[in-house]
Amino acid sequence: DQQVKQNSPSLSVQEGRISILNCDYTNSMFDYFLWYKKYPAEGPTFLISISSIKDKNEDGRFTVFLNKSAKHLSLHIVPSQPGDSAVYFCAVGGGADGLTFGKGTHLIIQP
Amino acid sequence: EAQVTQNPRYLITVTGKKLTVTCSQNMNHEYMSWYRQDPGLGLRQIYYSMNVEVTDKGDVPEGYKVSRKEKRNFPLILESPSPNQTSLYFCASSSGTSGIMETQYFGPGTRLLVL
Repeated sequence: DQQVKQNSPSLSVQEGRISILNCDYTNSMFDYFLWYKKYPAEGPTFLISISSIKDKNEDGRFTVFLNKSAKHLSLHIVPSQPGDSAVYFCAVGGGADGLTFGKGTHLIIQP
Repeated sequence: EAQVTQNPRYLITVTGKKLTVTCSQNMNHEYMSWYRQDPGLGLRQIYYSMNVEVTDKGDVPEGYKVSRKEKRNFPLILESPSPNQTSLYFCASSSGTSGIMETQYFGPGTRLLVL
């Protein structure tokens, strides 16, 4: 049973518009949430995180929103740029265990 | 430069032939972890280590072994590889004892093909 779900395997967005990537989780004990970005032939790189005490964290063009009651987090990228084309993984965790990753969403930014 | 290195980057082997994938980090991180990435399955954790001589199973530990004899190294061992272990493997590390509370830094990946 998937604990972390990214229901959109791929997403296509026009350059300059907003990209919204979604992630749902099942375990309410998770208290730390991260987004990673992955280019082909490279390891994932950390993008942005949020802890359970917050509902929004912003870093430049990237904003992560957390809705704990809905067990949902989202990543907003605005404006979207061609270099944002990549696979995005959400990851969640709590306590001393490792992270649990979603399956990833392939974001394609179209010119 | 702070980094996580993995070797080899690419490996083709045959069923049953023992292999080791090395992982090394130069950031003095306490937490290290191995993941495998498979199409449609995302990243799944194999083993992790909170510190030297402390290792724990992740979500998919079957068929793998690890060791953490020193802080910087965390090798992944496949004693008898099978074709279902064909995958892309990532090593990661982070600082602090509560590893997931910190950003994990990933290596470049090792692509393994088991024939």
